[in-house]
Amino acid sequence: EPEVTQTPSHQVTQMGQEVILRCVPISNHLYFYWYRQILGQKVEFLVSFYNNEISEKSEIFDDQFSVERPDGSNFTLKIRSTKLEDSAMYFCASSETGVPYQPQHFGDGTRLSIL
Amino acid sequence: SQQGEEDPQALSIQEGENATMNCSYKTSINNLQWYRQNSGRGLVHLILIRSNEREKHSGRLRVTLDTSKKSSSLLITASRAADTASYFCATDATGNQFYFGTGTSLTVIP
Repeated sequence: EPEVTQTPSHQVTQMGQEVILRCVPISNHLYFYWYRQILGQKVEFLVSFYNNEISEKSEIFDDQFSVERPDGSNFTLKIRSTKLEDSAMYFCASSETGVPYQPQHFGDGTRLSIL
Repeated sequence: SQQGEEDPQALSIQEGENATMNCSYKTSINNLQWYRQNSGRGLVHLILIRSNEREKHSGRLRVTLDTSKKSSSLLITASRAADTASYFCATDATGNQFYFGTGTSLTVIP
């Protein structure tokens, strides 16, 4: 069964550094998402992406964050200048069509640790 | 806030027993979905119920939805040790956003 893959599985970065998290969504999916989950807390929506542009973003997704689909397969999340509070699990998801009536398929996440 | 809230926060049962988890939400929805998350892994979609549906089954899973009470329940029958995980409900209202609840941590004791 096709799956969403994320790399790296664990990223350790110094505060203030830029970090790029990578995702390869399922190949025939058109909608892509990033979520984060701070340890022990709920999964929080960051951004959705369709047709090479952001569809929606949450309040968390401020100017420090950006997303890109640099080629036909990768979907990346960049955090420009990391802060301690950015430490979390970051999940990528994709769906065949938009959210209503369609399940999202999640990767296993990247654990981001900011020192 | 649209976010769902699961209840209870933690549930511990013996293998073979049924497990029931509840989810409440605050605004109108198009659909409600339940996901499972094993420790250290991503979320796995379990079942989707549309706002015009009241009950849905999938294997040992039974989901109900009461839009008048803005609540849903997930029933896992004949639980197994492998069902040990966190279970989240997720709701959408408009657009391409999903709101996840706080989750119920289920432990099934062999």
